[in-house]
Amino acid sequence: GEDVEQSLFLSVREGDSSVINCTYTDSSSTYLYWYKQEPGAGLQLLTYIFSNMDMKQDQRLTVLLNKKDKHLSLRIADTQTGDSAIYFCAESIGGTYKYIFGTGTRLKVLA
Amino acid sequence: DTAVSQTPKYLVTQMGNDKSIKCEQNLGHDTMYWYKQDSKKFLKIMFSYNNKELIINETVPNRFSPKSPDKAHLNLHINSLELGDSAVYFCASSRGTGSNEQFFGPGTRLTVL
Repeated sequence: GEDVEQSLFLSVREGDSSVINCTYTDSSSTYLYWYKQEPGAGLQLLTYIFSNMDMKQDQRLTVLLNKKDKHLSLRIADTQTGDSAIYFCAESIGGTYKYIFGTGTRLKVLA
Repeated sequence: DTAVSQTPKYLVTQMGNDKSIKCEQNLGHDTMYWYKQDSKKFLKIMFSYNNKELIINETVPNRFSPKSPDKAHLNLHINSLELGDSAVYFCASSRGTGSNEQFFGPGTRLTVL
């Protein structure tokens, strides 16, 4: 299967942590990604993780990968109003050029 | 300095018309993509080209025809536009190897009346 699912909405208060979750079904994924889309713009890569890793930290961002459960999460520490955007997880399928994007999570940060 | 550019940014047209969207990347990437993002923000791959050759063609109506005159360009031509074609179309490019990060253009908002 090729479905990548995310919760559609998440609302947090400024300064709190945000956790955005993603589940995927294709076990042949080689890389998993998190992209951010601001209003009226294209997607920008935030971070990615190789499929043989469990965790990756990059400043305020922490990515956790549970390959057994096919679950990926993105934690944003000290969430700011500028973090309000749509966040997409994506997987690239090993041996192909194919990318599958998740349904997107709209993060709203309340001041 | 724009890495991936698309023209036009907005396109409003009548049903039945034929239109084209252009995409150019100056990153030296070998692989380019077209995506469609609908009103619910779902993003679906349409086509991918690697070194000017078609490598991915999802179940897209044959009214949509991509053309890659060279590695830096991937244009999208749409015939006989329908109301359901209204969406934002994104072009992207990647090296096609390694981490395969995709670089997206700013999008073209197509509105079919």
